[in-house]
Amino acid sequence: RKEVEQDPGPFNVPEGATVAFNCTYSNSASQSFFWYRQDCRKEPKLLMSVYSSGNEDGRFTAQLNRASQYISLLIRDSKLSDSATYLCVVKGLLTNFGNEKLTFGTGTRLTIIP
Amino acid sequence: DTGVSQDPRHKITKRGQNVTFRCDPISEHNRLYWYRQTLGQGPEFLTYFQNEAQLEKSRLLSDRFSAERPKGSFSTLEIQRTEQGDSAMYLCASSLVAGGAWETQYFGPGTRLLVL
Repeated sequence: RKEVEQDPGPFNVPEGATVAFNCTYSNSASQSFFWYRQDCRKEPKLLMSVYSSGNEDGRFTAQLNRASQYISLLIRDSKLSDSATYLCVVKGLLTNFGNEKLTFGTGTRLTIIP
Repeated sequence: DTGVSQDPRHKITKRGQNVTFRCDPISEHNRLYWYRQTLGQGPEFLTYFQNEAQLEKSRLLSDRFSAERPKGSFSTLEIQRTEQGDSAMYLCASSLVAGGAWETQYFGPGTRLLVL
């Protein structure tokens, strides 16, 4: 089983729609969670951290369910500029060496259609 | 530009050759990370440094790979005797350890390696 699992998509949604991405992680000891955005042939950039209480940043809402080991991202009123790959990221997975690395899902590709 | 920089941005090499990539982190950041990303996958952790000390290495980092950060500033990643399977985007990231569990890792633009 992969450490972080995401539906790879692609998700093709019309402009203005609401879209939701889900992600599950395997290690219950994980300590922090993030969504990164990656545009085609560019580097990943932090979109938002995901806190236990859930958090919102404009049109974006992230939620965490530690009991189910499940992370979600909701994008409301989607814009053409939201087209990108969204990477679910977990930090602090126990390894033989330490726990500072980020572990990424494969990413979910989103295309907003005009 | 005060972000993470990487050099070169693209590298084409023949199988068996050695290649070296450089990463310059954000100036006040004491942690530096290397990741590798292949097509259709998320980045995979390779190794990281805190100042000049290499604190963690992935099992992905075979004996042909070596990374250094001699003065705690820039870092190099060398791949010896390259293989076609080494073709990937090599990403560098940096962060400030004071950020704790929620420290943000800032990524550079990557070095895209193609081994022929």
